[in-house]
Amino acid sequence: DTAVSQTPKYLVTQMGNDKSIKCEQNLGHDTMYWYKQDSKKFLKIMFSYNNKELIINETVPNRFSPKSPDKAHLNLHINSLELGDSAVYFCASSLTNEKLFFGSGTQLSVL
Amino acid sequence: GEDVEQSLFLSVREGDSSVINCTYTDSSSTYLYWYKQEPGAGLQLLTYIFSNMDMKQDQRLTVLLNKKDKHLSLRIADTQTGDSAIYFCAESTNAGKSTFGDGTTLTVKP
Repeated sequence: DTAVSQTPKYLVTQMGNDKSIKCEQNLGHDTMYWYKQDSKKFLKIMFSYNNKELIINETVPNRFSPKSPDKAHLNLHINSLELGDSAVYFCASSLTNEKLFFGSGTQLSVL
Repeated sequence: GEDVEQSLFLSVREGDSSVINCTYTDSSSTYLYWYKQEPGAGLQLLTYIFSNMDMKQDQRLTVLLNKKDKHLSLRIADTQTGDSAIYFCAESTNAGKSTFGDGTTLTVKP
C-alpha cells in the first residue's frame, strides 16, 4: 500500500489552463504539505495543513490554492498556469513536528 | 529566518567514505534529518537525529551534530554506486516547519 500517493505523476498542459494535483495519505498523519522542486532540484515549501487548517503559506502566488477536505487529503489547484510553474510538485505528510513522508512527485510541464 | 546550507556536489570512488556537510541557523531546531532522493523519485528519510544528541550510527551511516556550531554531517562508509543520489539536510522546529537545504548530489565512481 502506498503511504503518500499523488496523482497524476505527469501533467503536461498549455499556459493559461487550470489544473489540479491530488494527494492522499493513509498513515494517519495530521499534517500535510506541498513542496515545489525546481529544475536545479531546490526544494521549497509552499503550504502546510494541520488537521485541515492552513498553518504555513509561503510566498506563493494566489493562483495556487490548496484544499484539504479531510486530514488524509490535500489537493493543489493551480489557475492560469504559467511557464514558470513547470516543476516537480511533492506532497508530504507527517505527525506534527515529526519526519516527513513524501509522495513520488508530479512533474508539471507548462508549454 | 531559518536557513539550511550544504555544498551542491560531492564525488567519491566506490569503497571510499563520503561525508556530506550541512549548516543551519535556527537554534530552536528539534530534529535534524537526512533525506535521500534517487532519480525520478520522491525524498525518502534516511536517518535523523534529535537536537540533544551528538551522534547517531545506523549501519553504514553516521550522523554527527555539533549544536554549538550548528553543523550536521552525514558519513557513508564503504560508499556504493547505489548510494548515488541527492542528499537533503533538513531541520524542523516546534513551529511545525521543516526547512530543507538545496541538496548535495553524490556521485560514486566505480
